[in-house]
Amino acid sequence: NAGVMQNPRHLVRRRGQEARLRCSPMKGHSHVYWYRQLPEEGLKFMVYLQKENIIDESGMPKERFSAEFPKEGPSILRIQQVVRGDSAAYFCASSPREESGYTFGSGTRLTVV
Amino acid sequence: TQLLEQSPQFLSIQEGENLTVYCNSSSVFSSLQWYRQEPGEGPVLLVTVVTGGEVKKLKRLTFQFGDARKDSSLHITAAQPGDTGLYLCAGAKNNAGKSTFGDGTTLTVKP
Repeated sequence: NAGVMQNPRHLVRRRGQEARLRCSPMKGHSHVYWYRQLPEEGLKFMVYLQKENIIDESGMPKERFSAEFPKEGPSILRIQQVVRGDSAAYFCASSPREESGYTFGSGTRLTVV
Repeated sequence: TQLLEQSPQFLSIQEGENLTVYCNSSSVFSSLQWYRQEPGEGPVLLVTVVTGGEVKKLKRLTFQFGDARKDSSLHITAAQPGDTGLYLCAGAKNNAGKSTFGDGTTLTVKP
């Protein structure tokens, strides 16, 4: 029973390029969450999605960032025109319902050069 | 403003010692989770507490949820080097969907 799968594990992008981060939730989990983590800091909420719906995107920057969780396929976090400040670890988590604990993926470490 | 305050931020102890880390808030949560994260990996769920005053034990780890459901503690007995990691608490509110994380306590247990 595979856990939450994130890919790629590491991603290097030049300033101005696009970054696409993928997340396949655990089987049976319909709630997907994206968090961002800077070194030696906690996780900052970005967006909460269910299939084909964005439930809460209050943590997403207004520009350049978008997320989707289509009916088929993984959830995608997309960052357009990346800047150095976007460098961070991005974690995806899934849960079977709200207010239950999360299962996290291993994260995607984005480095913008 | 940080919704969940964790203390201490860093803790370095010798193998065999006991320790307690804290997670405090002025907000009431419907549930609270503790996670452990190792470098280069995602957090791993340790426990969920939902009832005020609840105490849960997981081997050498004891978790307590405050009576008012605003705070929690994690006590580790006879710490081992394998306990080293970043300990994160996270709180969820009714119908809020997402969990809010504290900034964590980085624990180092020296052999």
